[in-house]
Amino acid sequence: GAGVSQSPSNKVTEKGKDVELRCDPISGHTALYWYRQRLGQGLEFLIYFQGNSAPDKSGLPSDRFSAERTGESVSTLTIQRTQQEDSAVYLCASSAEAGGFNQPQHFGDGTRLSIL
Amino acid sequence: AQSVAQPEDQVNVAEGNPLTVKCTYSVSGNPYLFWYVQYPNRGLQFLLKYITGDNLVKGSYGFEAEFNKSQTSFHLKKPSALVSDSALYFCAVAANTGGFKTIFGAGTRLFVKA
Repeated sequence: GAGVSQSPSNKVTEKGKDVELRCDPISGHTALYWYRQRLGQGLEFLIYFQGNSAPDKSGLPSDRFSAERTGESVSTLTIQRTQQEDSAVYLCASSAEAGGFNQPQHFGDGTRLSIL
Repeated sequence: AQSVAQPEDQVNVAEGNPLTVKCTYSVSGNPYLFWYVQYPNRGLQFLLKYITGDNLVKGSYGFEAEFNKSQTSFHLKKPSALVSDSALYFCAVAANTGGFKTIFGAGTRLFVKA
């Protein structure tokens, strides 16, 4: 079946511009996660959605970052006034069970964001 | 606090030899443990998980992992490595510490030499 889809796959933009990254989770998955992965490094947790609400926003690095999810489906991660340190791969994942965390996460291939 | 450690940045092994990628964790409750693999320019792929029961867990592509509660470890193993196993491997732990959270290790790069 269809996996997690992220778009765009690559985004190059100038410093100071806003960017919007999209994630389409696996149909029926109630939990959705955003992570940031800098070059050669591990995963940095950004935000977690349970349905359309975000019980854990603790990983968002600054108020320039925001995310929303609608229809218990698509999620968008928005970065305003981008800075060069925002350059990274942004990964989205979804899982079948929201509360128990005993289900594996299914990842998209990420959006590679480059800030000039 | 909940944490997971992968003490080796890189593991090198010859094709056909057994491989081990190490993971240790620290949680206050009962852990859920996972291994994922990441190939270049791709997202992470789930390999296997330990929730409860048998300490030896078998997963995809011939990988297995052993949960050791006394040593708080969950090392990934494979009896005979393939060149195609070369990738970045992540250990992850989830536990209910006043709300579930999944923490990923920093990753271990595995090189399998022909």
